[in-house]
Parts: sequence; C-alpha cells; structure tokens
Amino acid sequence: AQTVTQSQPEMSVQEAETVTLSCTYDTSESDYYLFWYKQPPSRQMILVIRQEAYKQQNATENRFSVNFQKAAKSFSLKISDSQLGDAAMYFCASLLGSNYQLIWGAGTKLIIKP
Amino acid sequence: NAGVTQTPKFQVLKTGQSMTLQCAQDMNHEYMSWYRQDPGMGLRLIHYSVGAGITDQGEVPNGYNVSRSTTEDFPLRLLSAAPSQTSVYFCASSKPGGGDGYTFGSGTRLTVV
Repeated sequence: AQTVTQSQPEMSVQEAETVTLSCTYDTSESDYYLFWYKQPPSRQMILVIRQEAYKQQNATENRFSVNFQKAAKSFSLKISDSQLGDAAMYFCASLLGSNYQLIWGAGTKLIIKP
Repeated sequence: NAGVTQTPKFQVLKTGQSMTLQCAQDMNHEYMSWYRQDPGMGLRLIHYSVGAGITDQGEVPNGYNVSRSTTEDFPLRLLSAAPSQTSVYFCASSKPGGGDGYTFGSGTRLTVV
C-alpha cells in the first residue's frame, strides 16, 4: 500500500528565516506525482508545489522549493524568507497511479514567529 | 471565480438523519473526489469519479453514496448519519490523471449528534 509520512507534527520558524518540512513516501510505482498543499485557518486546501517523479530537477515556486530524493523516497519542502501568511498546516500527498487519487500525510503545523 | 463549490459550509445532523453534500465545478474537470479530514490525520478518500456515469469506492466508503450524472456535479449522500461521520468533508476535482493537482472546495464541517 502506498503511504505518506510527515514526521514533524509542528514546526516553528522566525519570520524571514528558512524552514524545511519533511515528507517520506512509499510506493512501488516508477512514475508518480508528489504535492505539497497548504491549509490555512480558513480551511481551504491550496496547492503549493508539485513534482513529477520522472523529472530529476527539483520544483520551485517563488519562495517554495522541494528537495526530491527519489531513491530515498523523500520529498521535503523548503520555505525561504518565511512570512506571517505562511502560517498554516502543510500536507504532503502522493498521487496513486491505480486510481489517480491522492494519498495524504498527517500534516505539519507551521508557526511563524514575528 | 472558477473553481469547486461546496454547500453547505456547516451542518449539524441528528443520528439517523440523511443528507446530501453538494459539489459543483465549472472547470470541465473529468476527475472528482470526496475526502474526509479528521483531526491528526491526513485526508482520506471516500468516493471518486473519473467521468460522468463512473464512480468507485475509496478508502472509507461505508455509509456514503455518490452519483455522477453530469461532469459538473458530484453529490455525496449520507444514508443514515452516525457520530463517527462527524468530520470535515472536501470535494476536489482535476484534469484526467490528476498530475496537475486537484482543486479543492472550501469544505463542509459536519457534526452528527
């Protein structure tokens, strides 16, 4: 079975500093997608960044970047220049190839200290 | 704005009552899904659809029914509400394959008393 693990229930960072959220996954498939979603207190799920497994280059979206280690099945999210608006729950998810649906980690609560 | 619309946003039900959570998207996405979110856990898939007239069960389908008569709409029916169904429910949609990522509705907080 495909699984996604986020080992950090909560992380905190000083405003303007850099923080890395960890995610590991397990899959028997060779081609898949990985995602990070942000869920602020408004409850809305917002796609932050996506990674295609067959691409070796790490995805970046402005201040957000990933460190994708396919052999280690690791997919961490780096947030640079943290802002107060980054405070939220962050979920890592993988796309299951058998039905193209998402498997989710339990989430990491990110706290930004002003 | 284009996106996924869920109604209602909040609902309180008594045990044994039935209800339908509505979901509509206007992006012409073929794939639609229902997830539930419980404290301390990631989202879990209830049911999904890869196109009009096609539905299938996810990880936690018991107690829920779905149908997909149009591309736009994917309602979730609770047949006989139980306290264990107290949760936040999300509807999501994507292009075929899901690789571009899913777009989510704003969620429905359901409490069963």
